[in-house]
Amino acid sequence: QQPVQSPQAVILREGEDAVINCSSSKALYSVHWYRQKHGEAPVFLMILLKGGEQKGHEKISASFNEKKQQSSLYLTASQLSYSGTYFCGTEGKTGANNLFFGTGTRLTVIP
Amino acid sequence: DAGITQSPRYKITETGRQVTLMCHQTWSHSYMFWYRQDLGHGLRLIYYSAAADITDKGEVPDGYVVSRSKTENFPLTLESATRSQTSVYFCASTGGYNEKLFFGSGTQLSVL
Repeated sequence: QQPVQSPQAVILREGEDAVINCSSSKALYSVHWYRQKHGEAPVFLMILLKGGEQKGHEKISASFNEKKQQSSLYLTASQLSYSGTYFCGTEGKTGANNLFFGTGTRLTVIP
Repeated sequence: DAGITQSPRYKITETGRQVTLMCHQTWSHSYMFWYRQDLGHGLRLIYYSAAADITDKGEVPDGYVVSRSKTENFPLTLESATRSQTSVYFCASTGGYNEKLFFGSGTQLSVL
C-alpha cells in the first residue's frame, strides 16, 4: 500500500529543475509531501487535496491528479538547500487519517 | 520547549530484551503515529492513535505494542527485541484530519 516514488535519486546542479513523481495503486484523496535532511526529522512541505489543485511553496510546487492516482513535486531553479530526501505520503486506510509514505527520492544539489 | 519530544535519542539493547521508546507532545494533538525508517524502505507506519485509548495497526505492527492512556504520550514497546528491529524510530503527531504531521527528532535503536 506504500505509494511508489520515482526517481529513487537525482543529482542536480544549482539552478536546474527536477520533478519527483508519486503514484498509488489505490484511490487518492490527498497527498502529503515532506523533506528530510540527513540526520534530521522529516519536515512538512505541502498537502494536496482531492480536486486537482496545484500548490506552491517558494520555488517548490506540486500537482495532484486523483484520476491517475498520481502527484508530482516540481523543484525549479534548485538551490543547495533543496538537498535531502523527499517523501510523499498517502492515506493508508481510508478515513483513518494515517499516512503511508513512499520509499523516498534522494535529491542532491551540487554547485 | 513545546512540541514533540522523543526519548531516548540513542538506545543499544540486546536481543530478547524489552525496550520502550517514549513520545510526548505538548499540543494536545489528537493523532499520534510511530514510524520506523530503514534504508530502502522509507518511513513505514507501525501504529497510530486517533485519541486516548484508541490505537490501530499500521503497515508493520508485529513485535510492537503501543498504549495511549493520556493524549500527550504515546510510548512504543518492543516486547522482545530482535536484530531486525534495529532502526530509526520517529514519532509524529497532528491535530486533525489531513493536517500536516509534526515529527519528533527520532530514536536510533540498535539491537545486538
